[in-house]
Amino acid sequence: SQQGEEDPQALSIQEGENATMNCSYKTSINNLQWYRQNSGRGLVHLILIRSNEREKHSGRLRVTLDTSKKSSSLLITASRAADTASYFCATDGTSGSRLTFGEGTQLTVNP
Amino acid sequence: EAGVAQSPRYKIIEKRQSVAFWCNPISGHATLYWYQQILGQGPKLLIQFQNNGVVDDSQLPKDRFSAERLKGVDSTLKIQPAKLEDSAVYLCASSSAQGAGELFFGEGSRLTVL
Repeated sequence: SQQGEEDPQALSIQEGENATMNCSYKTSINNLQWYRQNSGRGLVHLILIRSNEREKHSGRLRVTLDTSKKSSSLLITASRAADTASYFCATDGTSGSRLTFGEGTQLTVNP
Repeated sequence: EAGVAQSPRYKIIEKRQSVAFWCNPISGHATLYWYQQILGQGPKLLIQFQNNGVVDDSQLPKDRFSAERLKGVDSTLKIQPAKLEDSAVYLCASSSAQGAGELFFGEGSRLTVL
């Protein structure tokens, strides 16, 4: 089964609003990554947060990691229509190097 | 810098036929991955290569799927014979390290099995 599970499955917001997506996982991890996928395209890496980090920023993106709750969140501030995409979390378990993806959150930003 | 190249982008075949997908990773990337992504789901790892050796193929349906990475560069994923449930996007990715750092994905090959 997939290691990461995103919540919500779908999110629709207005341009300018913030979007928050959550990811929960089951086993201990080395790091957690977030990827973005536009419709019909490949995945693009957004940010990586290591298990000993609690928060990381990149432009309008803010990622938090709570290893005690085995969860992470991705916040996109001041969203734009161009942010419309599917967002996936991926975890690298401590037992091996396989990167396992969740089912994704479909974000729609309405202009 | 050239990205990960995949071909073909689209392929339609009938069940029980065979199909092959090709991937050229980013130059210098030792690790290459093939993922299967069924519509509406996240990518699932099929096989991971480190140079030309297999690191993980535990989720590869070996009765019908095969993959090779000759000379540690290009890779080919083959399905023979195809089933209806193989309809998916096959994504190739590469990374510079074996440990799960950033993966660079190609645009994918969309397979439809009729």
